[in-house]
Parts: sequence; C-alpha cells; structure tokens
Amino acid sequence: DVKVTQSSRYLVKRTGEKVFLECVQDMDHENMFWYRQDPGLGLRLIYFSYDVKMKEKGDIPEGYSVSREKKERFSLILESASTNQTSMYLCAGGARGTYEQYFGPGTRLTVT
Amino acid sequence: AQSVAQPEDQVNVAEGNPLTVKCTYSVSGNPYLFWYVQYPNRGLQFLLKYITGDNLVKGSYGFEAEFNKSQTSFHLKKPSALVSDSALYFCAVRASGDYKLSFGAGTTVTVRA
Repeated sequence: DVKVTQSSRYLVKRTGEKVFLECVQDMDHENMFWYRQDPGLGLRLIYFSYDVKMKEKGDIPEGYSVSREKKERFSLILESASTNQTSMYLCAGGARGTYEQYFGPGTRLTVT
Repeated sequence: AQSVAQPEDQVNVAEGNPLTVKCTYSVSGNPYLFWYVQYPNRGLQFLLKYITGDNLVKGSYGFEAEFNKSQTSFHLKKPSALVSDSALYFCAVRASGDYKLSFGAGTTVTVRA
C-alpha cells in the first residue's frame, strides 16, 4: 500500500510564527504536492515539486514556500503565519507518468 | 485555465437507492478526470479515473463514472448506496501533459438508513 504521512494532525500557532509542515512518502514518487482545503472551495494547489530541489508555484503560493531536499520529503513553510492561513493542509504524491495522486491524512492548522 | 463544477453541495439518498454525484469540467485538450472521496477527518482516497478508452469507468467500492465528451461531464454513480458511502466527494481534472489537478468544491453525500 502506498503511504503518505504528515508530521501533525492538528497544529495551533500564533500570528507571526514560522510554521513547518512536513510530508513524507514511501512510494519513491517523483511528484509531490501541497494543497489547502477550505469549505466550499475544494482543494487549491499551493506548490508542487516534480524532482528533488525543483518546485513550481500552484494557484495560491502567496505567503508560503517549500523545500524538497530529499525525494521522499516535501516541506511547506509559512514564513509568518496569519489568521487567513487557518486551514486543512493536504500533501500528496504521484509517480511521473501515472495519473492519480495519493494523499496524506492532512494537518488542520489553526493560527490565532 | 481548467476548472471543475460540482453543482450540488449536498446529495441525500436512502440506502439501497441509486446514487449520482454530478461533475462538469472545462479544460484545454484531452481531459484526465478523477473522483476522490474523503471520510471525516481523513485525507482523500482515490476512487476512479478516466484517461482514455471506454467511457464507463469502474472503480473502488462499487462506484462507476461515465465520461461524456459532448456534455463535458463525468458523473459518479453507484447503483445501490450504503450508509457507509456517506462522505465528501471531489471531482478533479487535469490536462494531458500537465501536473496540476483542479478540484471541484465537493459534494457531501448523506445516505440514510
């Protein structure tokens, strides 16, 4: 079975803090993705990576950055958390040349 | 730009009745289409996909979906719904040759006993 894990299920941070969300996949997949999920908006792509040290902006990259130093790990960074970044964050992996993505359980982030 | 519309926020059906969740899409070129399901406090699980070939696609848990190119639709169906099918369902599309998936807003399905 494919597996994508995320470092925390629930996280509470204060406005202005730097926040790291970690994602690890055991599928040896080239592609990894970060989404945020908000009610009524579905999933929106923040960033994705198609190889180590490679990254591309998704639809809503503002206020976020990412890091991919190893193939299995993809980190999402909130440089200075704000209350409008309170959301569910989902990481996904996918193999190059295939089509579907496999999702982690999500991290529910609350910024107060 | 690509997009997905799920016109119903909620679908309510009785157990044993047919279930349909609607999806229409917009994309340049050939579409790759997907359905995912999300149970409470869980990540998304892949249900099925259409890439090419037969317009009727069968997936996990007895679900199927029909690709209709002229209507740009990809509706999800199940002949006989179960209470355990109650969840949030997402339709997604990507253009061939692209990495990016675009998701609909989701449809909450409630199956009553």
